[in-house]
Amino acid sequence: DTAVSQTPKYLVTQMGNDKSIKCEQNLGHDTMYWYKQDSKKFLKIMFSYNNKELIINETVPNRFSPKSPDKAHLNLHINSLELGDSAVYFCASSGGQGNGYTFGSGTRLTVV
Amino acid sequence: AQSVAQPEDQVNVAEGNPLTVKCTYSVSGNPYLFWYVQYPNRGLQFLLKYITGDNLVKGSYGFEAEFNKSQTSFHLKKPSALVSDSALYFCAVRDGRGSTLGRLYFGRGTQLTVWP
Repeated sequence: DTAVSQTPKYLVTQMGNDKSIKCEQNLGHDTMYWYKQDSKKFLKIMFSYNNKELIINETVPNRFSPKSPDKAHLNLHINSLELGDSAVYFCASSGGQGNGYTFGSGTRLTVV
Repeated sequence: AQSVAQPEDQVNVAEGNPLTVKCTYSVSGNPYLFWYVQYPNRGLQFLLKYITGDNLVKGSYGFEAEFNKSQTSFHLKKPSALVSDSALYFCAVRDGRGSTLGRLYFGRGTQLTVWP
């Protein structure tokens, strides 16, 4: 049973389209995150939700909008996709200060 | 401000030799420190963590890390490297005071290559 699952695993789309990535965790964690990993493998935090409340919102274009319908789900919607949005997007969850993150397997987004 | 530095982009080592992947950190309070490994086309996997207690912590796949408060370091080590250890390794830190709402700060990653 996958702890943090993301769908889809791969996403190829044209510039200007709108797309969503879904994330679900079955660990009972209160906090969930979205990270972007660029072509140089740098990890950049985008958003964090704690019990459905947005707590971290880094400098991200407002084309990116997270939504958390409940604490087990954190989805990422991206409007008007641009070439520079091509990256791997990771969802993660955390169960507390002394714990690290559990990561999903990633969504590779390619904008053409 | 919290930050993590991994001074080496790449580490190359022969199979059977010991390996070290370096990490230094900066936090305001007591650090919670983590190592993660990323294999190609995979997500990050937890290796080990230091919260408190013994400065030498042991983790998955035979890895260990030593917390050094005076040098603000948390280097990852393994006594005998395997080719299968080749991967990207990330060090991460969290401020133990809890003021950062659980956020982990990641280093830029170190690519470990173990050659046969």
